[in-house]
Amino acid sequence: DADVTQTPRNRITKTGKRIMLECSQTKGHDRMYWYRQDPGLGLRLIYYSFDVKDINKGEISDGYSVSRQAQAKFSLSLESAIPNQTALYFCATSDPMTSGRATEQFFGPGTRLTVL
Amino acid sequence: GDSVTQMEGPVTLSEEAFLTINCTYTATGYPSLFWYVQYPGEGLQLLLKATKADDKGSNKGFEATYRKETTSFHLEKGSVQVSDSAVYFCAFYTGRRALTFGSGTRLQVQP
Repeated sequence: DADVTQTPRNRITKTGKRIMLECSQTKGHDRMYWYRQDPGLGLRLIYYSFDVKDINKGEISDGYSVSRQAQAKFSLSLESAIPNQTALYFCATSDPMTSGRATEQFFGPGTRLTVL
Repeated sequence: GDSVTQMEGPVTLSEEAFLTINCTYTATGYPSLFWYVQYPGEGLQLLLKATKADDKGSNKGFEATYRKETTSFHLEKGSVQVSDSAVYFCAFYTGRRALTFGSGTRLQVQP
């Protein structure tokens, strides 16, 4: 079974709709992240959470919100979707306690979101 | 600000050719360096990493050496295979916040 799962894997929605993307992990990591991938732009950080009570904005948080329901769950919401939010969204986790500066991030399979 | 610059793709090679993908970084502090690979339809997975100057990361025939003096971490492989076709991302981590990624380089290997 995958350690980091994302639902849905694909979603097509219309402008103005509210959308929630969900991420679950079984790795026991405290840190979770949401990234957005656009062609030619790499991955850009939307939000990150270092524990259940800690939520932080990334470089492109406008138009997004998050909820950390538990250590294992981190959801991303688009309150009112717009076409330029069409992208591939990735959730990731990390555990710096085991690796310090060398800590790697573990990624989910991604959610492809299309906003018409 | 912090950033990673990678060579633009796509890089198209014939099987068994030598591969180099250039990566340079600008970081506040002393970063750890990473290469991630994304196969079609999948998420990113760690390919290799290096945590201090002159360290060499290696995995699956790929290598990269942490060059602090030139702030570079170029990815190399002596003989690519069709199965290496993917998008490769250079990234770094300074212990704050999250990884900083480059824009990715698509590699296409032809039989």
